[in-house]
Amino acid sequence: KQEVTQIPAALSVPEGENLVLNCSFTDSAIYNLQWFRQDPGKGLTSLLLIQSSQREQTSGRLNASLDKSSGRSTLYIAASQPGDSATYLCAPAMEYGNKLVFGAGTILRVKS
Amino acid sequence: NAGVTQTPKFRVLKTGQSMTLLCAQDMNHEYMYWYRQDPGMGLRLIHYSVGEGTTAKGEVPDGYNVSRLKKQNFLLGLESAAPSQTSVYFCASSYSILRDRVNYNEQFFGPGTRLTVL
Repeated sequence: KQEVTQIPAALSVPEGENLVLNCSFTDSAIYNLQWFRQDPGKGLTSLLLIQSSQREQTSGRLNASLDKSSGRSTLYIAASQPGDSATYLCAPAMEYGNKLVFGAGTILRVKS
Repeated sequence: NAGVTQTPKFRVLKTGQSMTLLCAQDMNHEYMYWYRQDPGMGLRLIHYSVGEGTTAKGEVPDGYNVSRLKKQNFLLGLESAAPSQTSVYFCASSYSILRDRVNYNEQFFGPGTRLTVL
């Protein structure tokens, strides 16, 4: 059974810092991995999707890497801003991409 | 495009009552999903559908039923609600494209339904 762990559980940083969120998973037989952002009381917004054959994906200030063999993914946020404050969720996909297994998330607070 | 919409946004039920949550998507996606999110546990897959008229069980299907009579709609039913079903329910949909033997599948989520069972 796939298990996903996200470290740290919570993070508070001053504005402008570069930061790294970590995600580890126990079953490396994944099809892809998605990173999501969730604002309080809201739904999930897809940030990045990495296919299992890829090593990284970039979107603006976000960069996600994937090391499938070691069961790890990282989300790098450059020059953090208060608007980046949210919960970030990692979800590797099993079974042809149909089954996402979520971690509990990292709660990020960026202080101005 | 409205994307993925969910009805209702909030609901309070008494134990034993029944209800149906509606999910609709206007992106012509083949795949649709229902998740529940509980504090500290992340999201867990309840049921999913890979096309009109098909459904399959996810990680936590007990106590729920689903139907996909139309491609754009996915209904989640609770026949006899229990306090353990108090949660936030999210619907998602995705395309699925097979290219060069790689399956591209990205899920898009609705805003959620907050359900309380007393």
